[in-house]
Amino acid sequence: DIQMTQSPSSLSASVGDRVTITCQASQDISNYLNWYQQKPGKAPKLLIYDASNLETGVPSRFSGSGSGTDFTFTISSLQPEDIATYYCQQYDNLLPMYTFGQGTKLEIK
Amino acid sequence: QVQLQESGPGLVKPSQTLSLTCTVSGGSISSGSYYWSWIRQPAGKGLEWIGRIYTSGSTNYNPSLKSRVTISVDTSKNQFSLKLSSVTAADTAVYYCARGDIVFYWGQGTLVTVSS
Repeated sequence: DIQMTQSPSSLSASVGDRVTITCQASQDISNYLNWYQQKPGKAPKLLIYDASNLETGVPSRFSGSGSGTDFTFTISSLQPEDIATYYCQQYDNLLPMYTFGQGTKLEIK
Repeated sequence: QVQLQESGPGLVKPSQTLSLTCTVSGGSISSGSYYWSWIRQPAGKGLEWIGRIYTSGSTNYNPSLKSRVTISVDTSKNQFSLKLSSVTAADTAVYYCARGDIVFYWGQGTLVTVSS
């Protein structure tokens, strides 16, 4: 199985701060890595797909990078509406299953 | 606009089988080349992928749940379903249905509680 190690598990930052979350895969997953935002009581929302592609309609302050085993998700300037939990997800179909990271709960300082 | 809606009992007794259905609207479940998945989330915890079914009917399951999970599709009703057997309290969660490897479309989620 592929394990996804996401860090940190929680993060407190101020409005306007640059925020970075990392996700490490236990083996090479190329760029088969997505990032989701989940607000309480809601289904997750796709933000970034294939490691670095911004989903249509998602603000450009969100970005992703990486390939292989190491991936980064960045919010360039934190906004109050970004308070949520963020998850990475791998979908390497050579090992046909999806795996989510443990999640990062983002709070405003 | 594709929409997914979960349905099924909100309360299941321990040792029984949890059964949920996802109804797809706004598009045919048979069109395109998509995986249709079930994902769950215990209260206050992270997301766990349960399994998926392809439009051809082939399935893949999370190894940790494989012995208890069956996912099936009914193209005539534009639905796919989840059965999870021998449930315990640890299976209490919000269950989501979803489309694709890159999941843009999610159901709203349905809470299933396992309790006597």
